[in-house]
Amino acid sequence: NAGVTQTPKFQVLKTGQSMTLQCAQDMNHNSMYWYRQDPGMGLRLIYYSASEGTTDKGEVPNGYNVSRLNKREFSLRLESAAPSQTSVYFCASTWDRGGSEQYFGPGTRLTVT
Amino acid sequence: QQQVKQSPQSLIVQKGGISIINCAYENTAFDYFPWYQQFPGKGPALLIAIRPDVSEKKEGRFTISFNKSAKQFSLHIMDSQPGDSATYFCAASNQGGSEKLVFGKGTKLTVNP
Repeated sequence: NAGVTQTPKFQVLKTGQSMTLQCAQDMNHNSMYWYRQDPGMGLRLIYYSASEGTTDKGEVPNGYNVSRLNKREFSLRLESAAPSQTSVYFCASTWDRGGSEQYFGPGTRLTVT
Repeated sequence: QQQVKQSPQSLIVQKGGISIINCAYENTAFDYFPWYQQFPGKGPALLIAIRPDVSEKKEGRFTISFNKSAKQFSLHIMDSQPGDSATYFCAASNQGGSEKLVFGKGTKLTVNP
């Protein structure tokens, strides 16, 4: 039981390049989330998916797109990376919406130059 | 609009001392208040959580105190140990409504030996 896995662990992009961050969970959770973590800013929600087939914007969605590929997988895409998107990205999942424990992946450290 | 305000931003405590981190919230519909612990290079993990039907919850050296009328809750770490050095996030959600957890900005705790 791997929990929540994320790939890649590290990535360096040039401004304007695109990439997709992958996330998968093997706990049969319904809800999945993408956060970014910046120093002094805490965890900010980018997008979430309450269930397979649905996605919604969070606090900071601009510059990102997501796909809930199936119940297990939730990907985050940067179409044209900007230096402001330099951050650590975390994926999380939970059984049942906001009222239960969220399980986090190990994170992806992204640098945009 | 920051819905959960966390203080202090950083905290230094001697081994054996008590660490106290405070959070205040605005949304009276919140009914689930977890604390997450994050070690460097790792994703956050649930430490302890409380619902508003109780004023205190204790798990080992960790205690949440909850004051519904003041819309405040706090984490107390008794007999703090160097291994407790981490970043702590409070959070809140409305279990019956939104799918989202709202996080505080985090407190970096350092416990000196």
